[in-house]
Amino acid sequence: EDQVTQSPEALRLQEGESSSLNCSYTVSGLRGLFWYRQDPGKGPEFLFTLYSAGEEKEKERLKATLTKKESFLHITAPKPEDSATYLCAVLNFGNEKLTFGTGTRLTIIP
Amino acid sequence: DSGVTQTPKHLITATGQRVTLRCSPRSGDLSVYWYQQSLDQGLQFLIQYYNGEERAKGNILERFSAQQFPDLHSELNLSSLELGDSALYFCASSVPEGTGELFFGEGSRLTVL
Repeated sequence: EDQVTQSPEALRLQEGESSSLNCSYTVSGLRGLFWYRQDPGKGPEFLFTLYSAGEEKEKERLKATLTKKESFLHITAPKPEDSATYLCAVLNFGNEKLTFGTGTRLTIIP
Repeated sequence: DSGVTQTPKHLITATGQRVTLRCSPRSGDLSVYWYQQSLDQGLQFLIQYYNGEERAKGNILERFSAQQFPDLHSELNLSSLELGDSALYFCASSVPEGTGELFFGEGSRLTVL
């Protein structure tokens, strides 16, 4: 069964303090790894897709990277509006089920 | 705004009751997915439909059922409700099948008392 583990569960940073969120995964055949952002009381919002080890994607202050066992979401010089829960998910070649991790709750303090 | 509409936004009911949650996907999207999100378990995949046909099933209880109608909207029926069914229920849609790039609605918060 596919498994996704995210760490840390929660992270508090000062505005401008860069850091990384981790997503470790176990999947029999990775079709893709996906990052989502979820604000309180809202549905998840798609951020990135990564398909193969070595791939990187960037969007504003966020950069996602992928290895054969894990993905990192790097956040550079974050702002308070980057505060949210960041979810990682994997899609297996064998089925249509997107398996999510439990997320990292990121708080950026002004 | 993702373009996915879910109703109702909030629902409070009693144990043993039955409720129906409704989802309208983004215009043009043929796939509809249902997810349950609770505090202790995160987002759990329930079921997926593509153009009216069931395509994939996850951890969906026998007390739960869903369908996708010809106009592509979907309904999730939850019956014989238990306290543990209290959660946020999300609907998501996508154009193709087999993609992890989903567009989620804002969810229906179900509270079972």
